[in-house]
Amino acid sequence: EPEVTQTPSHQVTQMGQEVILRCVPISNHLYFYWYRQILGQKVEFLVSFYNNEISEKSEIFDDQFSVERPDGSNFTLKIRSTKLEDSAMYFCASSELVGETQYFGPGTRLLVL
Amino acid sequence: GQQLNQSPQSMFIQEGEDVSMNCTSSSIFNTWLWYKQDPGEGPVLLIALYKAGELTSNGRLTAQFGITRKDSFLNISASIPSDVGIYFCAGNAGGTSYGKLTFGQGTILTVHP
Repeated sequence: EPEVTQTPSHQVTQMGQEVILRCVPISNHLYFYWYRQILGQKVEFLVSFYNNEISEKSEIFDDQFSVERPDGSNFTLKIRSTKLEDSAMYFCASSELVGETQYFGPGTRLLVL
Repeated sequence: GQQLNQSPQSMFIQEGEDVSMNCTSSSIFNTWLWYKQDPGEGPVLLIALYKAGELTSNGRLTAQFGITRKDSFLNISASIPSDVGIYFCAGNAGGTSYGKLTFGQGTILTVHP
């Protein structure tokens, strides 16, 4: 069964450093998403991406964040200058069409020290 | 912004018992999804609901999309120890939301053998 994959599974970084989180969505899916989950809290939407453009972003997704589909399979989330409060699980998701079921990856646990 | 109120926050039950949890919203959603999350992993889809009034089953799980489109419930019958985890409802409002999912706060389920 096709699944969303994410790398790395864990990342530890120093405050102010740049991080890039990688995702490989399900191959025939056209819509891609990033969510985050701070420890013990609910999952929060960050950004949706379609046709090489951001479709929607939340207020969390400020200028420090960017997304990219650098090739036909990868979808990345970059945090330019990490802050302590960026520590969270980051989940990538994809769906075949907008409004259809989103399938989530296993997440990247980011710890900013 | 849109918010989903999920209850109960946690449940402690005996193996074999039935479980019910629900989500309500002050605004309309076009899609309701129920996910299960195990510790340190990504949300796994359980049931997807696309039409008001829809009642859908997946094994021992049954979920309904409320007629008003502002609520949904999930029932688990004859619970077993592997049902332990965090259950999240999620909704998509459609329109200009481009697939953005709003998540509830989660229900932590503990099943005693």
